[in-house]
Amino acid sequence: AQSVAQPEDQVNVAEGNPLTVKCTYSVSGNPYLFWYVQYPNRGLQFLLKYITGDNLVKGSYGFEAEFNKSQTSFHLKKPSALVSDSALYFCAVRDPLSGGYNKLIFGAGTRLAVHP
Amino acid sequence: SAVISQKPSRDICQRGTSLTIQCQVDSQVTMMFWYRQQPGQSLTLIATANQGSEATYESGFVIDKFPISRPNLTFSTLTVSNMSPEDSSIYLCSVERISGAYNEQFFGPGTRLTVL
Repeated sequence: AQSVAQPEDQVNVAEGNPLTVKCTYSVSGNPYLFWYVQYPNRGLQFLLKYITGDNLVKGSYGFEAEFNKSQTSFHLKKPSALVSDSALYFCAVRDPLSGGYNKLIFGAGTRLAVHP
Repeated sequence: SAVISQKPSRDICQRGTSLTIQCQVDSQVTMMFWYRQQPGQSLTLIATANQGSEATYESGFVIDKFPISRPNLTFSTLTVSNMSPEDSSIYLCSVERISGAYNEQFFGPGTRLTVL
């Protein structure tokens, strides 16, 4: 069965330090991978996606993610964290069996807390 | 990106009652989706709503509990029927929009429902 795992419930980082939010996946075909961010009392905002091509994907707000096929991972990274990055982050994978539309399977979410 | 609005943004309801959530998009879209995010949990797809046809429900969700309407290409409603405290969640509408070679999914701000 297709699944997404975010092994950390919470990640704590000091402002200015690099951050990593981990995501691993399990799908039967070639994965389409996504990161979304949810700020308090707001909907999900799209950060970045991997469909094909370069394994390093750059997205919004200075975030990037690296697709690693051998490790089935798609970790989210940022070189220098900001307090304003504190939010809930979701990794998602497109279900390759969903046919022509974009049925997403979400991970449990990781709460990122950036401390001043 | 798509501009998606939801009404109401939040509500507190009594058990046994029903609530209808509206989702409005700023332009025509083919696919609309309804997700549920229970407290402290990830997003779960409830159903996919196509204009002019019956909604397609995911395992564990039924039409009698979550009836959906899709009268046109910019609007959909989700009703949470005969509510119980277990229905307390954030309900999110999302739409699929063509972006390059792939369809991206954008989310509304969500409706925060509390059932007493």
